[in-house]
Amino acid sequence: GAVVSQHPSRVICKSGTSVKIECRSLDFQATTMFWYRQFPKQSLMLMATSNEGSKATYEQGVEKDKFLINHASLTLSTLTVTSAHPEDSSFYICSAHAGGWVQYFGPGTRLLVL
Amino acid sequence: DQQVKQNSPSLSVQEGRISILNCDYTNSMFDYFLWYKKYPAEGPTFLISISSIKDKNEDGRFTVFLNKSAKHLSLHIVPSQPGDSAVYFCAARDPNSGNTPLVFGKGTRLSVIA
Repeated sequence: GAVVSQHPSRVICKSGTSVKIECRSLDFQATTMFWYRQFPKQSLMLMATSNEGSKATYEQGVEKDKFLINHASLTLSTLTVTSAHPEDSSFYICSAHAGGWVQYFGPGTRLLVL
Repeated sequence: DQQVKQNSPSLSVQEGRISILNCDYTNSMFDYFLWYKKYPAEGPTFLISISSIKDKNEDGRFTVFLNKSAKHLSLHIVPSQPGDSAVYFCAARDPNSGNTPLVFGKGTRLSVIA
């Protein structure tokens, strides 16, 4: 199947700093990527849809000024958690369609804000 | 309103026996259904899918059954192995939704006991 990578896989930061997470489609082009977060023992929560060359579409309740999304190319979307706080600690996962119906997921990024 | 429901949050099965994971949906426009498997601290991986024009799709130990009249699908794993222990997500696609993401259920945690 198609490969989606994320970087970093794990990050620890101080409260108030910003963290950037990269999502790359390695062997296909993705005009649309999706960002999810998952709290422990809970299901995937869609945060936003990232569209190449245009603004992201955020789900209700997700602060667009806090979770900045940039989809600058057909293979890269970035999620920046601005002024991170401990409650932002979570597992962030991106995914993309590879030309069909299947959504391929990245390996996830564990964020811990101290 | 949840369009894809996995009513059993967890399931325990003995090694070698059959695991049956269930999923119900409400949107009759869904035309494609997928199952994903997720290990802790990893992104979901695509497992198997089925088109709405079929009622069964088999891939090795995994078989997905679709009952459109009941708006129900199930994933059968036989024989179950300890490595199958993971969270399984059911997902569906709405063809009228453009580039929006798949609709996911909340997941069922499968534990295969040796």
